[in-house]
Amino acid sequence: SQELEQSPQSLIVQEGKNLTINCTSSKTLYGLYWYKQKYGEGLIFLMMLQKGGEEKSHEKITAKLDEKKQQSSLHITASQPSHAGTYLCGADPNTGNQFYFGTGTSLTVIP
Amino acid sequence: NAGVTQTPKFQVLKTGQSMTLQCAQDMNHEYMSWYRQDPGMGLRLIHYSVGAGITDQGEVPNGYNVSRSTTEDFPLRLLSAAPSQTSVYFCASSPGWTGTQYFGPGTRLLVL
Repeated sequence: SQELEQSPQSLIVQEGKNLTINCTSSKTLYGLYWYKQKYGEGLIFLMMLQKGGEEKSHEKITAKLDEKKQQSSLHITASQPSHAGTYLCGADPNTGNQFYFGTGTSLTVIP
Repeated sequence: NAGVTQTPKFQVLKTGQSMTLQCAQDMNHEYMSWYRQDPGMGLRLIHYSVGAGITDQGEVPNGYNVSRSTTEDFPLRLLSAAPSQTSVYFCASSPGWTGTQYFGPGTRLLVL
């Protein structure tokens, strides 16, 4: 069973449009990570959220953590072709050592 | 500082063959892990290690062996490759079992 569900699975947007990707956990979130993966490459760390209500931004990407909803959202403002790729959320285990990931959201930005 | 390196980048095997996927990191990280990535399945943890000499199974360990004799290296062994092991394999490391993971570029494996 998937412990981290991402929505949507894929997204196609026009350059300049805003978009949001959601990551919902079936377990209590103790730490939520966002990664980006370009096709054929490894994952690149974007940001980490640890506290309920925490919000972080990097350039035009903002991520928020809602502990009560066990959910995180990743928002991209004024999307650019360079934002294209697959975005994955990952979560810290609260017991044991097994970090786990969502299934990813594929983003295409049309120039 | 090379970060996490993986070799080979691409490999084709025949069913029943064995091989070792290499992973090395130069950041002195204690935690290392192997994932496989398949379409629609996301990243699934195969094995992980919390330090030299210590390894444990992840979500999908069957068909794979690991060892961790040094902090730097964490090889993944396929003893008898099967078509179901066709996938992209990623190695990652982190300072501890919580925290940011650093990923290698991946190894694409095709088992015929």
